Amino acid sequence: AQKVTQAQTEISVVEKEDVTLDCVYETRDTTYYLFWYKQPPSGELVFLIRRNSFDEQNEISGRYSWNFQKSTSSFNFTITASQVVDSAVYFCALSGGGETSGSRLTFGEGTQLTVNP
Amino acid sequence: ETGVTQTPRHLVMGMTNKKSLKCEQHLGHNAMYWYKQSAKKPLELMFVYSLEERVENNSVPSRFSPECPNSSHLFLHLHTLQPEDSALYLCASSRRTWRFADTQYFGPGTRLTVL
Repeated sequence: AQKVTQAQTEISVVEKEDVTLDCVYETRDTTYYLFWYKQPPSGELVFLIRRNSFDEQNEISGRYSWNFQKSTSSFNFTITASQVVDSAVYFCALSGGGETSGSRLTFGEGTQLTVNP
Repeated sequence: ETGVTQTPRHLVMGMTNKKSLKCEQHLGHNAMYWYKQSAKKPLELMFVYSLEERVENNSVPSRFSPECPNSSHLFLHLHTLQPEDSALYLCASSRRTWRFADTQYFGPGTRLTVL
């Protein structure tokens, strides 16, 4: 069975602070994919990033960066110099790579990030 | 329009009403999904359609009835719902068929309230 744990239910920071959202996963698949989605108050889940299990290179996109560590089964997300517009619920998700699991996504419970001015 | 659209955005219905939620994807994708998001709960996958064939039904009560007339449209027909069915219903699509892991792109959701 697959599982995603986001231990931080809520995080509150002041604008311009850096913040890291934790994600720990469990899977028996050797091939799998990890995702981060952002859900602003409007409700739509916005895709941020997808990484496959073969690629442990960290990725940076503007103020966003992701740290994938297979050894600790973690895929953490850091926002540098946070802004009020970053306030949202962030979901980490896991998908198996095998044909039996298809594109089923297992979501964590989400982290509510509030960035205060 | 681009991406995944859903209508209506908000819906209030009584327990005896019949209504339908509509989802349309403009991405040329081959798989479409319905999810339910209740307060304080993780997203729950309800149904999956791949190449217009239903491939997943996650023990969803029969008062929810999906329909996929073509690869771009997905409906969720609702009848005799219960107050606990009040939630945000999200539609998603992915390019590859269900058998292959792929990124899912979501619509804005329909906020459903059952009185």
